[in-house]
Amino acid sequence: ETGVTQSPTHLIKTRGQQVTLRCSSQSGHNTVSWYQQALGQGPQFIFQYYREEENGRGNFPPRFSGLQFPNYSSELNVNALELDDSALYLCASSRDSNTGELFFGEGSRLTVL
Amino acid sequence: AQRVTQPEKLLSVFKGAPVELKCNYSYSGSPELFWYVQYSRQRLQLLLRHISRESIKGFTADLNKGETSFHLKKPFAQEEDSAMYYCALRIGGGSNYKLTFGKGTLLTVNP
Repeated sequence: ETGVTQSPTHLIKTRGQQVTLRCSSQSGHNTVSWYQQALGQGPQFIFQYYREEENGRGNFPPRFSGLQFPNYSSELNVNALELDDSALYLCASSRDSNTGELFFGEGSRLTVL
Repeated sequence: AQRVTQPEKLLSVFKGAPVELKCNYSYSGSPELFWYVQYSRQRLQLLLRHISRESIKGFTADLNKGETSFHLKKPFAQEEDSAMYYCALRIGGGSNYKLTFGKGTLLTVNP
């Protein structure tokens, strides 16, 4: 069983740029959620996708957007990057008949200069 | 608003000593709580959930609604328990839910 994979693992951007992060969900999982983890903090919920539709969103501005594809992989897009967007971005997948268990990827570490 | 508080950023114990990682929550609904763990150079993973009432790797956690707590306990800590521990509260259900995480506690078990 293939686990959750994310790309890229590290990237550096400058303020005002745009970034796209990618996630392949675990086999058999149709729900993907994204979390932002700033240094010294716990993961913070950005949004969740279920069967290609966004079905939950945290307290993040509209410049954070996403997609889920028919194969349940997902993208996180962030426009107009700000310094505070520097963080580890975690993708997690789960089944719809879930136990509340999320399966996390290793994350994409974004640095905004 | 829902909130999860882990009051200790760092916790250091000796091997064989009891360990308790504290977690308190604030939530108006019926809480569903989890402990996630991240070992060095590994990804975040589920340790246990309160609904299961199970013991995983010797760890247990009891939901105390009166004290709004979900502390993680182990009677005899092992060096391999050294890791970052996050308490999480589930909001919502079915396919529409999110986890609210605490800031985490770094547990170090010394030989």
